[in-house]
Amino acid sequence: EVQLVESGGGLVQPGRSLRLSCTTSGFTFGDYAMSWVRQTPGKGLEWISFIRNKVYGGTTEYAASVKGRFTFSRDDSKGIAYLQMNSLKREDTAVYYCTRQDVEVVPGAVFGQSFHYYYMDVWGRGTTVTVSS
Amino acid sequence: EIVMTQSPATLSVSPGERATLSCRASQSVSNNLAWYQLKPGQAPRLLIFGASTRATGISARFSGSGSGTEFTLTISSLQSEDFGTYYCQQYNIWPPFSFGQGTVLEIK
Repeated sequence: EVQLVESGGGLVQPGRSLRLSCTTSGFTFGDYAMSWVRQTPGKGLEWISFIRNKVYGGTTEYAASVKGRFTFSRDDSKGIAYLQMNSLKREDTAVYYCTRQDVEVVPGAVFGQSFHYYYMDVWGRGTTVTVSS
Repeated sequence: EIVMTQSPATLSVSPGERATLSCRASQSVSNNLAWYQLKPGQAPRLLIFGASTRATGISARFSGSGSGTEFTLTISSLQSEDFGTYYCQQYNIWPPFSFGQGTVLEIK
């Protein structure tokens, strides 16, 4: 069974740091890109970060709201993804979900060109982060 | 950034009836649209990707349609376990991946 389990959430003061982990099982972690999505109290879902698999460089993308403060990394040997959150703000208070990204690869018009369309096919149950003094 | 707008915000439907949820994109997202179901205390679940393809294990009561900027999720013959909040999300032009604000589906 494919599973994602988030951990590391808790109560933290503004300006401090926290590291979330996403422990995976049931699939070959290194084959997949991953994302973090958060749900703020009373609001909807917000994508915050994405990491490609190593075949595509393991590079990352961030939402403007967290860029420069959050860092997404992965350890393919352990099947774990990490979200390092620094300089936390009250507005970072949310439930943080880890998601696996499946992909549809579509050839482009130019030889060797391709487009990658990623959707979130598996989610964890989330871990709660509360930023408060 | 592509803005996704869902309607209605809340929908109350009796068991056995049909529920129709709408999602609009601020610009074309082709068919690169997904629908998710969120229920308290549970992992969110992918229902539909590619605008109309059901994810593995999803009941045929769930169907998606649309392309470009207008999309619909239809739940036929609603069952009590279908309550929850439904989100659409575009993945055509990213980052960022953008979600709608959600539709709360209540069972009458």
